[in-house]
Amino acid sequence: AQKITQTQPGMFVQEKEAVTLDCTYDTSDQSYGLFWYKQPSSGEMIFLIYQGSYDEQNATEGRYSLNFQKARKSANLVISASQLGDSAMYFCAMRGGHFGNEKLTFGTGTRLTIIP
Amino acid sequence: DSGVTQTPKHLITATGQRVTLRCSPRSGDLSVYWYQQSLDQGLQFLIQYYNGEERAKGNILERFSAQQFPDLHSELNLSSLELGDSALYFCASSSNRGRPTDGYTFGSGTRLTVV
Repeated sequence: AQKITQTQPGMFVQEKEAVTLDCTYDTSDQSYGLFWYKQPSSGEMIFLIYQGSYDEQNATEGRYSLNFQKARKSANLVISASQLGDSAMYFCAMRGGHFGNEKLTFGTGTRLTIIP
Repeated sequence: DSGVTQTPKHLITATGQRVTLRCSPRSGDLSVYWYQQSLDQGLQFLIQYYNGEERAKGNILERFSAQQFPDLHSELNLSSLELGDSALYFCASSSNRGRPTDGYTFGSGTRLTVV
């Protein structure tokens, strides 16, 4: 079974500072994918970044980067130069790599609040 | 527009009633996933369909059922509704070519309120 753990229920960060959201995972699959999603108060799920288990380099997408440490089974999201619009819920998720296990398993999320 | 269409966006109904939520996947995607997000909770996987057939099942209640039609749209049926069924229900689609890199596209969700 797959499991995602996000240990930070809420975080408050000063605007323009960098922030790291923690995510650890557990799986017996050799091949898997890790995702981060943002959910603003409006409710939609916005894809941020993806990391494959065999990717050697950490993924980056604009101000978002994923600090992937495979041996530690962690996939932390780093947001550089935070903005007020970054205030939202953030979910880490995993997809398995074998037939019948393509669903996303989500963590419980971290509520990020950016302070002006 | 993400390409995944969910209707209705909002639904208010009484306990004991039955409702149907509809999802049209992104063009070309064969897989549809349904998730339930209760208040301040993460997303719980309910069920997955692939090209018309059920492929994976999560913690879906017996009062809930789903299907995927030949045109690949999917419906989630919720019956004998209880107050605790109030939640945001998401549909997501994926091309599902069997690679972990296959991305997902989420719809905007249906917010169900049971009164």
